[in-house]
Amino acid sequence: GQQLNQSPQSMFIQEGEDVSMNCTSSSIFNTWLWYKQDPGEGPVLLIALYKAGELTSNGRLTAQFGITRKDSFLNISASIPSDVGIYFCAGQNYGGSQGNLIFGKGTKLSVKP
Amino acid sequence: NAGVTQTPKFRILKIGQSMTLQCTQDMNHNYMYWYRQDPGMGLKLIYYSVGAGITDKGEVPNGYNVSRSTTEDFPLRLELAAPSQTSVYFCASSLQGKAFFGQGTRLTVV
Repeated sequence: GQQLNQSPQSMFIQEGEDVSMNCTSSSIFNTWLWYKQDPGEGPVLLIALYKAGELTSNGRLTAQFGITRKDSFLNISASIPSDVGIYFCAGQNYGGSQGNLIFGKGTKLSVKP
Repeated sequence: NAGVTQTPKFRILKIGQSMTLQCTQDMNHNYMYWYRQDPGMGLKLIYYSVGAGITDKGEVPNGYNVSRSTTEDFPLRLELAAPSQTSVYFCASSLQGKAFFGQGTRLTVV
């Protein structure tokens, strides 16, 4: 089945540093999404990408949909303590009878004040 | 606007018991999903539905069943609970690929 490889598994950074994480797939997707999960909560959508090459920002977050449609990255600039959590990428071939939304294993982010 | 609502929030089952995890959404989304998340792990897709009357298996469907008789509801059924089904279960619905999650059901099978 489809699998997403997300890296790194975990990151320990100093407050104010920039963060970069990425996700690759063995198959193509027409939608890439990035989520954040806080302890005891469900994942919350951060950014959705619909077009190969698309670069989208949401505040200090920037994500890109890879040209090959098999990868995506997420950058967080000037990290702050509330950025702590687990970040997941997800891929989907949205539309028609295809609808399964597959998640990566997550990147756990720790921020030192 | 409640979004995606899951019930119950917590449940302890004995081995062999059955139960239904409820999920309802009020956003009129066609796509709905069930995931399980084991401690420290990512989300694994159990079943999904692209509309009322249509369901399909995800990565880990064994031991579970679903139905989708209405757009709003997507219950997940465990027929013979096993310790391996101890997990946190998340339901989600989506529009144009943007999935919104419920708060989760923490299930323990003893």
